[in-house]
Amino acid sequence: QLQLQESGSGLVKPSQTLSLTCTVSGGSFSSGDYSWSWVRQPPGKGLEWIGLLYHSGSAFYSPSLRSRVTMSLDRSKNQFSLRLSSVTAADTAVYHCARGFCGGSSCYLLDSWGQGTLVTVSS
Amino acid sequence: DIQMTQSPSSLSASIGDRVTITCRASQGISNSLAWYQQKPGKAPKLLLYAASRLQTGVPSRFTGSGSGTDYTLTINGLQPEDFATYSCQQYYTTPPAFGQGTKVEIK
Repeated sequence: QLQLQESGSGLVKPSQTLSLTCTVSGGSFSSGDYSWSWVRQPPGKGLEWIGLLYHSGSAFYSPSLRSRVTMSLDRSKNQFSLRLSSVTAADTAVYHCARGFCGGSSCYLLDSWGQGTLVTVSS
Repeated sequence: DIQMTQSPSSLSASIGDRVTITCRASQGISNSLAWYQQKPGKAPKLLLYAASRLQTGVPSRFTGSGSGTDYTLTINGLQPEDFATYSCQQYYTTPPAFGQGTKVEIK
């Protein structure tokens, strides 16, 4: 059974870079049937998609965050990661990693999720 | 970008009730609509996709309907384990977008 687990710093100072890792067990990055996404949820707000990685390792980011986001894949460790630069208090959120099913022309149907990790931006 | 408007933001219901949550997209999404269930501290769970298709293992009391821009999630016979927050998502186009969520609470 596929499991995803987020890890990383829970407290980041303003203007610094947030770094998170998602460890995937019970699954593989080699299948073209799936993509790998990050989604966040600020306190009291709805879910916001951040970006995805295709199995090839190429990335696609939300236009609203594109200038600050970098995602990458480490097949040897079965992990993928998120870096978000120049953070502010508005980036405080629970960050989830998720697997997307690639059907038709979309890879955005998220069929498995991690439980999420809270990242607080504060000095 | 497509905006998703979900209503209500919260509701109170009793065990056995029928509950309906609606989601409206700012433009047509060709039934590329998913519903998720979230419980505090847990991973979100995919309930339905393609507006009305039940994900494997999800109880049949969850049903989805709709087309074009308007979609509905119905829970027939609310169970204790169904008290949670439900979110819709369009996966038709980039960027994918979620509704604000509906919290289902015990009356």
